[in-house]
Amino acid sequence: GAVVSQHPSRVICKSGTSVKIECRSLDFQATTMFWYRQFPKQSLMLMATSNEGSKATYEQGVEKDKFLINHASLTLSTLTVTSAHPEDSSFYICSARGTITYNEQFFGPGTRLTVL
Amino acid sequence: GEDVEQSLFLSVREGDSSVINCTYTDSSSTYLYWYKQEPGAGLQLLTYIFSNMDMKQDQRLTVLLNKKDKHLSLRIADTQTGDSAIYFCAEDSSYKLIFGSGTRLLVRP
Repeated sequence: GAVVSQHPSRVICKSGTSVKIECRSLDFQATTMFWYRQFPKQSLMLMATSNEGSKATYEQGVEKDKFLINHASLTLSTLTVTSAHPEDSSFYICSARGTITYNEQFFGPGTRLTVL
Repeated sequence: GEDVEQSLFLSVREGDSSVINCTYTDSSSTYLYWYKQEPGAGLQLLTYIFSNMDMKQDQRLTVLLNKKDKHLSLRIADTQTGDSAIYFCAEDSSYKLIFGSGTRLLVRP
């Protein structure tokens, strides 16, 4: 089956620093990757959609200068949280859709970010 | 607007059936999905239904779709303690997934 990995699984950083989260499709080519944010006991909120080789499309209310998304290859997308603040602490989940089945998204295991 | 709603919590006894309900808003959704999330983990696709179907069965899982009422349900037969998790329904809208708020299922021994 299709596998999506995320790295790191957990990260703790100081306020003001930047953190990069990687999302990889391990056995398929991901033409589109999605980044979600999930607050405790809440649903997933779509942050942005990225297509390989083009700029990400951000959802309303998501600061593109704060959450930098790069989708440089068909197997890797990165989310960089710049100048992180405690309110950015959250569970970040990526998903990938690609050449296996057009409609199905395969989800990564998530990254728990804690900003002190 | 886009709004997918679910009840927040369901508690059942082991061996009973669980029914989780969902209402969605986008009548043009092609697929509707059910995902399972265990604590601290990502989402696992359980099953999905094509919008021109009204029922789909997959082992212990039965999905019912009422397009007229925009109502989707997931029935889990013979619920086990390992089924305890959060269940999200989702609709595809403009090639994006819109998730419900999630239903926390607790299975009591």
